[in-house]
Amino acid sequence: AQSVTQLDSHVSVSEGTPVLLRCNYSSSYSPSLFWYVQHPNKGLQLLLKYTSAATLVKGINGFEAEFKKSETSFHLTKPSAHMSDAAEYFCVVSGGLSGGYNKLIFGAGTRLAVHP
Amino acid sequence: GAVVSQHPSRVICKSGTSVKIECRSLDFQATTMFWYRQFPKQSLMLMATSNEGSKATYEQGVEKDKFLINHASLTLSTLTVTSAHPEDSSFYICSVDGRLNTEAFFGQGTRLTVV
Repeated sequence: AQSVTQLDSHVSVSEGTPVLLRCNYSSSYSPSLFWYVQHPNKGLQLLLKYTSAATLVKGINGFEAEFKKSETSFHLTKPSAHMSDAAEYFCVVSGGLSGGYNKLIFGAGTRLAVHP
Repeated sequence: GAVVSQHPSRVICKSGTSVKIECRSLDFQATTMFWYRQFPKQSLMLMATSNEGSKATYEQGVEKDKFLINHASLTLSTLTVTSAHPEDSSFYICSVDGRLNTEAFFGQGTRLTVV
């Protein structure tokens, strides 16, 4: 079975400082991993995805994540936080097929706050 | 990628009434759509998989008679919350195209408040 654990429920950073949102996964096979961002009362937007290609994945808005199989981690980073980055972030692992489609399993989420 | 439109974005209803939420895939024929529920400050939980032309597949613990799903066309799936109660108040989100190794595209979500 697949699962995902986001290690921090809340992260607070100052504008211009680095961001690190941690995610560990459990999978019985080579997983697909995603990071989504959700702004208040909005749907989800894909930041980036790992699908067994390059282990360092670059996404939108300056975010990137590194897949580390030995550590079963897929941490999300950004060199310099912006006020607009304040949102809820979800680490997601593919949970196997549901009728031929990818069944997604969501982490609990990390709320990122960015202070001036 | 697929554009997904969800309507309404917000709805307030009285306890005991039914509410219908629509999820439209605007530029993609989606034979399968997914419905999620998100309680405040919690993650998304898959409720059911909506299959075009056939019955939906519900996750364990989700009442199929309470959460009616209809996927009558390749571009529209509806979720009807029947006899709504305050505990059904939540954020409901649909998604399409979760094919293996590709991203899922999400609707904007519907905030349901039952009073």
